[in-house]
Amino acid sequence: GAGVSQSPSNKVTEKGKDVELRCDPISGHTALYWYRQSLGQGLEFLIYFQGNSAPDKSGLPSDRFSAERTGGSVSTLTIQRTQQEDSAVYLCASSRTADTQYFGPGTRLTVL
Amino acid sequence: GQQVMQIPQYQHVQEGEDFTTYCNSSTTLSNIQWYKQRPGGHPVFLIQLVKSGEVKKQKRLTFQFGEAKKNSSLHITATQTTDVGTYFCAGRTGGSYIPTFGRGTSLIVHP
Repeated sequence: GAGVSQSPSNKVTEKGKDVELRCDPISGHTALYWYRQSLGQGLEFLIYFQGNSAPDKSGLPSDRFSAERTGGSVSTLTIQRTQQEDSAVYLCASSRTADTQYFGPGTRLTVL
Repeated sequence: GQQVMQIPQYQHVQEGEDFTTYCNSSTTLSNIQWYKQRPGGHPVFLIQLVKSGEVKKQKRLTFQFGEAKKNSSLHITATQTTDVGTYFCAGRTGGSYIPTFGRGTSLIVHP
């Protein structure tokens, strides 16, 4: 079946603009994670969704970051008033059992 | 909070040499997973270890989980150029659905 998909694959924006990143998880996967990976760095946890439960937002770096997951499927990560330090690859992963995570190809965000 | 330290950060080897990366957690883990990320790619799941002292093999890769469930290692025998990439460990503590990733070890294999 299809894997995790993310769009856009690349996004270049100007400082101060808002951006929306989309994640389509694997069908039937109830868990969804967002991570941020800066160049040459590890994975920084941002937010976790599990079914209809309230999301765990403990990793969001500031109130400019928010995410939602509609209908337990597609998720959107929104960054408001982007800053240059927001430049990174944003990875989405889904999981059926909250164990093995299947990652999408990521969205490379560049803030000029 | 939980920390997972991974060493080394980089490792250069000649093709055919062995390679090992180590993960150490500040707290006891319920399980640990290993992922591989090829240059320009995304992390891909390799394996999960759950039991104390567990050892699992995948062809030339050997994964170990420490007796105290606070450390783990990945060993590659006779590296090949296809092994190039960054290897991440990710540990979970009991009751948490959020793994803590190590910073990864980047393996560079010279032909």
